Amino acid sequence: RKEVEQDPGPFNVPEGATVAFNCTYSNSASQSFFWYRQDCRKEPKLLMSVYSSGNEDGRFTAQLNRASQYISLLIRDSKLSDSATYLCVVNPRYSGGGADGLTFGKGTHLIIQP
Amino acid sequence: GAGVSQSPSNKVTEKGKDVELRCDPISGHTALYWYRQSLGQGLEFLIYFQGNSAPDKSGLPSDRFSAERTGGSVSTLTIQRTQQEDSAVYLCASSSGRRAGELFFGEGSRLTVL
Repeated sequence: RKEVEQDPGPFNVPEGATVAFNCTYSNSASQSFFWYRQDCRKEPKLLMSVYSSGNEDGRFTAQLNRASQYISLLIRDSKLSDSATYLCVVNPRYSGGGADGLTFGKGTHLIIQP
Repeated sequence: GAGVSQSPSNKVTEKGKDVELRCDPISGHTALYWYRQSLGQGLEFLIYFQGNSAPDKSGLPSDRFSAERTGGSVSTLTIQRTQQEDSAVYLCASSSGRRAGELFFGEGSRLTVL
């Protein structure tokens, strides 16, 4: 099982719809989780951290399910500008995943259609 | 500028040549990371510098790759005897460590090896 797995998509969603996608992780000891956004041919940028209790930032809601080892991102009332690749990032306790243990998923490609 | 600066933005080289990629992190950020991203792929960790500690080189794919960080600031990634499989976008990121998992990425250096 890969350390961090995401459905690559693409997810084609009409504008205004709600879309959700998950990310699974293999290391049950993982402690911190994040969603990054990467626009086409641009650098990744931190979208939001994912807290144990779940958290919301405007139209975006992130959830963590430790028992099933996945995190989710829900986007409500999607906008054309939400079209991007969403990267799941997990920080395991060990350093084998690289610097600070941060491990990036390959991303889920989201296309919002007018 | 206030962000992470990388140069060159584009580099085309012939197989077997050496290349140097430069990263100027955000002032005051103690952590600096190099990743590479091939077309349609996720981020591959290469190397990590944190303050004066020994760098984490666990992601370097071969001994043709090396990196330095001088004076705790600017970093140079060197690829010797480039191969076609080295073609990718090389992304540098820096972090202050104040917010876990928050990396600020540069726009990347796109390397094409002919």
